[in-house]
Amino acid sequence: QKEVEQDPGPLSVPEGAIVSLNCTYSNSAFQYFMWYRQYSRKGPELLMYTYSSGNKEDGRFTAQVDKSSKYISLFIRDSQPSDSATYLCAMRNNQGGKLIFGQGTELSVKP
Amino acid sequence: DTGVSQDPRHKITKRGQNVTFRCDPISEHNRLYWYRQTLGQGPEFLTYFQNEAQLEKSRLLSDRFSAERPKGSFSTLEIQRTEQGDSAMYLCASEIRDLGVSGANVLTFGAGSRLTVL
Repeated sequence: QKEVEQDPGPLSVPEGAIVSLNCTYSNSAFQYFMWYRQYSRKGPELLMYTYSSGNKEDGRFTAQVDKSSKYISLFIRDSQPSDSATYLCAMRNNQGGKLIFGQGTELSVKP
Repeated sequence: DTGVSQDPRHKITKRGQNVTFRCDPISEHNRLYWYRQTLGQGPEFLTYFQNEAQLEKSRLLSDRFSAERPKGSFSTLEIQRTEQGDSAMYLCASEIRDLGVSGANVLTFGAGSRLTVL
């Protein structure tokens, strides 16, 4: 079993829809949780970053962490065609070091 | 310096040949990471350096793989006797490790070097 599990999709939604992306994990030592966005043939770019449990909002994006359930989510409101990309969850423990990534979810937002 | 730079962007080689990738991190970043990503998968950790010291290597990094960061600045990843299974995107990332809580730092990725082994 992988340390981080993410539904690979693909996920296709109409423009303006609310998108929910999720990851589960098994390592209770993970404290820092990130969402990266990756466009085709590009490197991942950081989208959201949260520490421990709770919510964080940035514009149309909201990240949620529920450490008791070992479950993290990314919500995208009013989705746009430019949001079409692969979304990767990633996490690490307090000591830093390597990030562990999920498989990535491919999202397509149709105009 | 606008980000992490990787070279070459795409390398096509024949099975059995050696290849080398170079990564230039953001100048003030003292940690440098290598990841491998295959189609439809998330990045998989290979190894990382703090300055010139290699602190961790994944079991994915077979004897045919070697990484160096000789002066604590740029890094190279060499693959000897390439196999078709080595075909992947090789990603480099860097971060500043400060004296605070290490996990709070953020990795910045380069655009990657795509390897195709024929």
